[in-house]
Amino acid sequence: AQSVTQLDSQVPVFEEAPVELRCNYSSSVSVYLFWYVQYPNQGLQLLLKYLSGSTLVKGINGFEAEFNKSQTSFHLRKPSVHISDTAEYFCAVSGPTYDNDMRFGAGTRLTVKP
Amino acid sequence: EPEVTQTPSHQVTQMGQEVILRCVPISNHLYFYWYRQILGQKVEFLVSFYNNEISEKSEIFDDQFSVERPDGSNFTLKIRSTKLEDSAMYFCASSGEGLQYFGPGTRLTVT
Repeated sequence: AQSVTQLDSQVPVFEEAPVELRCNYSSSVSVYLFWYVQYPNQGLQLLLKYLSGSTLVKGINGFEAEFNKSQTSFHLRKPSVHISDTAEYFCAVSGPTYDNDMRFGAGTRLTVKP
Repeated sequence: EPEVTQTPSHQVTQMGQEVILRCVPISNHLYFYWYRQILGQKVEFLVSFYNNEISEKSEIFDDQFSVERPDGSNFTLKIRSTKLEDSAMYFCASSGEGLQYFGPGTRLTVT
């Protein structure tokens, strides 16, 4: 079975500072990895995905993530955050095919302070 | 851009009642899913559906739950005899081209 661990439940950071949200996964099969953002009282919005190819993936809103197979990680990064980035961020894994169900991490609450 | 839609956006029901949550997946997708998110917790997989049958389900998806694709466009989740702990946001998703697209969710409140 696949699983995802998000190592930080809350990450406070000041505006314009860099941020890294950590995600580790466990799987015995090939994986596809995703980051979703959830703003208060809203649904899930896809930030970025890793399906294959380049291990550095760029997404929307200036976010990027790097797939590291040896460390089974898929950390999310942004070089300079904005107040509007305050939200819950979920890492998710699926596989070995695209249509397998998705398993989510517990989420990381990113709070950007002025 | 095509999107997954869900109705209603918010459903309030009394304990013991049956509810049906509705989803319209993206039209050319073949795989459909329901997920649940209890307030303040992570998103949990409930069930996946392909070719008019359940392809996978989690331990959460017990006999209280059922899914159906009644008319080739809608995809429904039925919860029988609702309990207080069924209160959650329920997300529908459909899959195509390597991505699952999520709907905006239905917030179910059981009183």
